[in-house]
Amino acid sequence: AQKVTQAQTEISVVEKEDVTLDCVYETRDTTYYLFWYKQPPSGELVFLIRRNSFDEQNEISGRYSWNFQKSTSSFNFTITASQVVDSAVYFCALSEARNTPLVFGKGTRLSVIA
Amino acid sequence: DTEVTQTPKHLVMGMTNKKSLKCEQHMGHRAMYWYKQKAKKPPELMFVYSYEKLSINESVPSRFSPECPNSSLLNLHLHALQPEDSALYLCASSQVSDGGYEQYFGPGTRLTVT
Repeated sequence: AQKVTQAQTEISVVEKEDVTLDCVYETRDTTYYLFWYKQPPSGELVFLIRRNSFDEQNEISGRYSWNFQKSTSSFNFTITASQVVDSAVYFCALSEARNTPLVFGKGTRLSVIA
Repeated sequence: DTEVTQTPKHLVMGMTNKKSLKCEQHMGHRAMYWYKQKAKKPPELMFVYSYEKLSINESVPSRFSPECPNSSLLNLHLHALQPEDSALYLCASSQVSDGGYEQYFGPGTRLTVT
């Protein structure tokens, strides 16, 4: 069965600090997909990134970077030089190749204080 | 354009009312989803439509009735709801319902049942 664990319930940082959000997943499939979504207070989930199980390259997009490690079943998300606008709930999610629903972690609430 | 629109943004209804939530996307996506999200929880999948046919119903009570009139539209008909059904209802779409495609979410409808 699929499972996503985000052990950090809430994180609070001061603006300009770097912060890493952890995500650990479980799946028996060899082909699977990992996602990160951002949910600001307005409520809309914003897609940030998708990573395929067969592509372990890390990715950087501006202040955001993702570290995918199959050996530890982790897909961590780092925000560099955090800003107040980064305050949101961040969800890590997993789906398997076949027609199975997206499984979300419980989310990490990030508060960036000015 | 990765926009999914939902109407209304807010809805207050009594337990005897009948109302509908609407969702629309113009990205040519062939999979559409309804999620329910309670406060401080991740989204919970309710229904999946694939090529305008209902493919997944996550044991949702019959007081929720989905409808997909065409590939761009998704409705959720509500009848005889309970106060515990108060939540944020999110619509999403993806290219197809296979696991490897990211879902794009609408802003949601905040439903209050009195």
